[in-house]
Amino acid sequence: GQQLNQSPQSMFIQEGEDVSMNCTSSSIFNTWLWYKQDPGEGPVLLIALYKAGELTSNGRLTAQFGITRKDSFLNISASIPSDVGIYFCAGPNYGGSQGNLIFGKGTKLSVKP
Amino acid sequence: DTAVSQTPKYLVTQMGNDKSIKCEQNLGHDTMYWYKQDSKKFLKIMFSYNNKELIINETVPNRFSPKSPDKAHLNLHINSLELGDSAVYFCACKPYWGTNKETQYFGPGTRLLVL
Repeated sequence: GQQLNQSPQSMFIQEGEDVSMNCTSSSIFNTWLWYKQDPGEGPVLLIALYKAGELTSNGRLTAQFGITRKDSFLNISASIPSDVGIYFCAGPNYGGSQGNLIFGKGTKLSVKP
Repeated sequence: DTAVSQTPKYLVTQMGNDKSIKCEQNLGHDTMYWYKQDSKKFLKIMFSYNNKELIINETVPNRFSPKSPDKAHLNLHINSLELGDSAVYFCACKPYWGTNKETQYFGPGTRLLVL
């Protein structure tokens, strides 16, 4: 079945540093989504990508939909303490009739002030 | 107003009990889901409903029974709770049509602990 491989698993960075994480798949996705989960909360959508090659920004966040449609990356520039959380990539499961999401295993980000 | 709400936020109960979790969305979306997040934070689909009709039922024990009284609500009833049911359960919804029809919106989660 479809799987998403997300890396790195965790990151420990200094405030002000830039962060990059990515997601790859052996199969094609037509949509890539990036979510952030704060401790004790549900995943919140950060960026949605719908077209191969698309580069989209949301404040200090930038995400790209890979040309091959098998990968995506998320960059965070000038990290701040509130960026702490778990970042998930996700894509629709085309094997399911209603497109439930398949999630990567998450990248846990820790930011040291 | 909260787009997707769940109650309760925390649920601590004894093994063998029956419990329900409720979800409501005010986004007018047609499709609703239940996901389970394990202790390693892995999110996995359990059920999907579209317009009150069950569409997806992953390999979930039949002790779990979803019910959708109307398009805005999807509840999850769990019978004979087991220790392994301890997890965080998330409700989500998405529109059926439109350019963002793959984008799902999540509730805050229900943290279930079975003792």
